[in-house]
Amino acid sequence: QVQLVQSGAEVKKPGSSVKVSCKASGDTFSTTSFTWVRQAPGQGLEWMGEIIPMFGRANYAQKFEATVTITADESTSTAYMELSGLRFDDTAVYFCATRPRKCTGGSCSSKDWFETWGQGTLVTVSS
Amino acid sequence: QSALTQPASVSGSPGQSITISCTGTSSDVGGFNYVSWYQQHSGKAPKLIIYDVSYRPSGISHRFSGSKSGNTASLTLSGLQADDEADYYCSSYTSSSTPYVFGTGTRVTVL
Repeated sequence: QVQLVQSGAEVKKPGSSVKVSCKASGDTFSTTSFTWVRQAPGQGLEWMGEIIPMFGRANYAQKFEATVTITADESTSTAYMELSGLRFDDTAVYFCATRPRKCTGGSCSSKDWFETWGQGTLVTVSS
Repeated sequence: QSALTQPASVSGSPGQSITISCTGTSSDVGGFNYVSWYQQHSGKAPKLIIYDVSYRPSGISHRFSGSKSGNTASLTLSGLQADDEADYYCSSYTSSSTPYVFGTGTRVTVL
């Protein structure tokens, strides 16, 4: 099973950008769906977007379409989430997670649950 | 896409059973058998405990079970133990432009 290790905590100024990384182990990186989930202090989980490296194109929640960019580097097995125009209410823990890919009868698809999670990265927006 | 509705808190004594509800709409919970549940201990990452409404991943205790009726999914914890004290979140695939939504979360307290 894949393991995910995220980059360390960040402190950023309002209006700046932050890029969080998520390095995956294992040999299925290109076909794995990498999802980013946000959790503000004391709040619930919020789906932000995802990418399947072999397809390259990311899919975003409407709320984050203008401010989030999700990318993946197959050479380093690392997924990235960049959040721009940071606001105080972007202060949160950001998790990466994977959706497993299962194949049946020659047909493969990403399943609809989040199987493996990174440890989380705290991003603090402070002036 | 609005968050799925869960009770803010549920409590029970050791050994008892509790049930957490997760209410959505026909566009998410009611429309697909793609509900999953996650356990999150304080300061930790979420952990998958149920997928596709009622399936347990390898290594998850049989004390956790899931079900669905209409637009409401449920997670039952039987034989409550001290280590079950955590936050629990449901999630569902949706037919909206945002393909996944989480529940509001439920804090489980073992009395």
